[in-house]
Amino acid sequence: EPEVTQTPSHQVTQMGQEVILRCVPISNHLYFYWYRQILGQKVEFLVSFYNNEISEKSEIFDDQFSVERPDGSNFTLKIRSTKLEDSAMYFCASSEQTVNNQPQHFGDGTRLSIL
Amino acid sequence: QQQVKQSPQSLIVQKGGISIINCAYENTAFDYFPWYQQFPGKGPALLIAIRPDVSEKKEGRFTISFNKSAKQFSLHIMDSQPGDSATYFCAAWVGGKLIFGQGTELSVKP
Repeated sequence: EPEVTQTPSHQVTQMGQEVILRCVPISNHLYFYWYRQILGQKVEFLVSFYNNEISEKSEIFDDQFSVERPDGSNFTLKIRSTKLEDSAMYFCASSEQTVNNQPQHFGDGTRLSIL
Repeated sequence: QQQVKQSPQSLIVQKGGISIINCAYENTAFDYFPWYQQFPGKGPALLIAIRPDVSEKKEGRFTISFNKSAKQFSLHIMDSQPGDSATYFCAAWVGGKLIFGQGTELSVKP
């Protein structure tokens, strides 16, 4: 069964450094998402992306964050200047369509640790 | 209100028992309600989902009950097994994104 893959599985970065999290969505999917999960808390929506532009973003997704689809297969999340509170699991998801009842498939996440 | 409230936070059930997890919402614009199962170190995996024009959906041992007037929905796991031990999240879809509940950590004792 096709799956969403994320790399790296764990990223340790010094505060203030830039970090790029990478995702390969399922190949025929058109909609891409990033979510994050702070340890012990719920999964929170960050951003959705379709047709090479952001469809929707949350309050969390401020100017420090950016997303890009640099080629036909990768989808990246960049955090420009990391803060301690950015430490979390970051999940990429994709779906075939965005209308309701089209499931979002999640990757296994990247654990981001900011020191 | 774009929140989904989930309870209980944790649940211990004996093997063979019924696990019940409840969720409630306020926003009537929510129009798709999936449940996700998450094992440690893994991403959320879609378990079962329901639309608000349906009151119940069953897939194997998993059933969603949906009460539109009360704005509540619940997951029932029949004949719970130790392999069902995981964290379960309810979610609601609105405006192109999923809003998740806080999660329920289910432990099924042999």
